[in-house]
Amino acid sequence: SQTIHQWPATLVQPVGSPLSLECTVEGTSNPNLYWYRQAAGRGLQLLFYSVGIGQISSEVPQNLSASRPQDRQFILSSKKLLLSDSGFYLCAWSIRLETGEQYFGPGTRLTVT
Amino acid sequence: KNEVEQSPQNLTAQEGEFITINCSYSVGISALHWLQQHPGGGIVSLFMLSSGKKKHGRLIATINIQEKHSSLHITASHPRDSAVYICAVRSVEETSGSRLTFGEGTQLTVNP
Repeated sequence: SQTIHQWPATLVQPVGSPLSLECTVEGTSNPNLYWYRQAAGRGLQLLFYSVGIGQISSEVPQNLSASRPQDRQFILSSKKLLLSDSGFYLCAWSIRLETGEQYFGPGTRLTVT
Repeated sequence: KNEVEQSPQNLTAQEGEFITINCSYSVGISALHWLQQHPGGGIVSLFMLSSGKKKHGRLIATINIQEKHSSLHITASHPRDSAVYICAVRSVEETSGSRLTFGEGTQLTVNP
């Protein structure tokens, strides 16, 4: 069966510090991968998605970047965090070439102080 | 105006009540999803619809493509149903990546 992991689960970082959130998927090959952010009291916002290794599409210009160094690994990064980067970050995957559902990781709650 | 709008934003019910959450969208879609977000943040998929109606246990989801509207019903609600329910759509123009557009969610609280 497929499993999606995210870490860390919670993170408190000062403004201006770097960020690296990691997501890995097990039990499937060639997934589509997604990074979402959910600000407090708001809906899910798609930040990045990837259809393959090294292929990253950015949905919203911002202080963040994403990379996919391996087929089942998706990394969200920032060189210098802003207060507005606080939120709940979710990684998800879906089966490529299908209109099927997305499967979400447990999320990382980031607080920038 | 958001492409996906949900109503109500917040809903409080007594245990056993029949609950309806509505979702309206403004774009042509190939699929509509209903998701449940637990208080800890985890999200699970409840339904994926492209037409008609689906039922799973006490949950029923319907969609009317012509009216661009979907409803999620919960029969015999229980406190464990308390969660945020999210509607999401996949546009017909989405040719790769399976990107979804999300509503802002409906916070449901079921009191014992």
